[in-house]
Amino acid sequence: GQQVMQIPQYQHVQEGEDFTTYCNSSTTLSNIQWYKQRPGGHPVFLIQLVKSGEVKKQKRLTFQFGEAKKNSSLHITATQTTDVGTYFCAGLSGGSNYKLTFGKGTLLTVNP
Amino acid sequence: DGGITQSPKYLFRKEGQNVTLSCEQNLNHDAMYWYRQDPGQGLRLIYYSQIVNDFQKGDIAEGYSVSREKKESFPLTVTSAQKNPTAFYLCASSISVRGWGQLWDYGYTFGSGTRLTVV
Repeated sequence: GQQVMQIPQYQHVQEGEDFTTYCNSSTTLSNIQWYKQRPGGHPVFLIQLVKSGEVKKQKRLTFQFGEAKKNSSLHITATQTTDVGTYFCAGLSGGSNYKLTFGKGTLLTVNP
Repeated sequence: DGGITQSPKYLFRKEGQNVTLSCEQNLNHDAMYWYRQDPGQGLRLIYYSQIVNDFQKGDIAEGYSVSREKKESFPLTVTSAQKNPTAFYLCASSISVRGWGQLWDYGYTFGSGTRLTVV
């Protein structure tokens, strides 16, 4: 079945440093979504990427979808303590298999 | 305010008991999902439902059951057959749109979760 791998599993940074998490799928995706889960909270939808090579920005967050639609990345510029949490990617395959498959997430901690 | 409500927030179960976790949404979403989250395991799909009176098994359905009698409600029963039920359970919903021959799920809205502990 479809697998979505996410690296790194953990990342600790100093406040102000940049952060990137990477997501790779074993199959071509229809779209990819990104979620953030604060400690003790629930996942919150951040964004969805659909087109090959798509790049979207949300303030300090930059999301990319690979040309082959099998990988994606989330980059945070100048991290802040409010960025702490686990970032999940989730891929959707087309056709009959239309349910999301989540990566295991990257836990980001930020030292003030 | 529209959203998803999960109850209870914390639940303790004795071994051998069945328990039911509630999930209600007022977002008018067609699709609803149940995920299980364990430390370091990410989110694993238990069951999902695209329309009322229809649901499908996810990746780890053994020991669980669901029903979808109303669009707003998707309760999950953790049965005594589930060998390791202690986990954080998350319910989610989404709009599903059919287009270009495919079914597209838009961003999921998650409930705040239920922490189940077997005692």
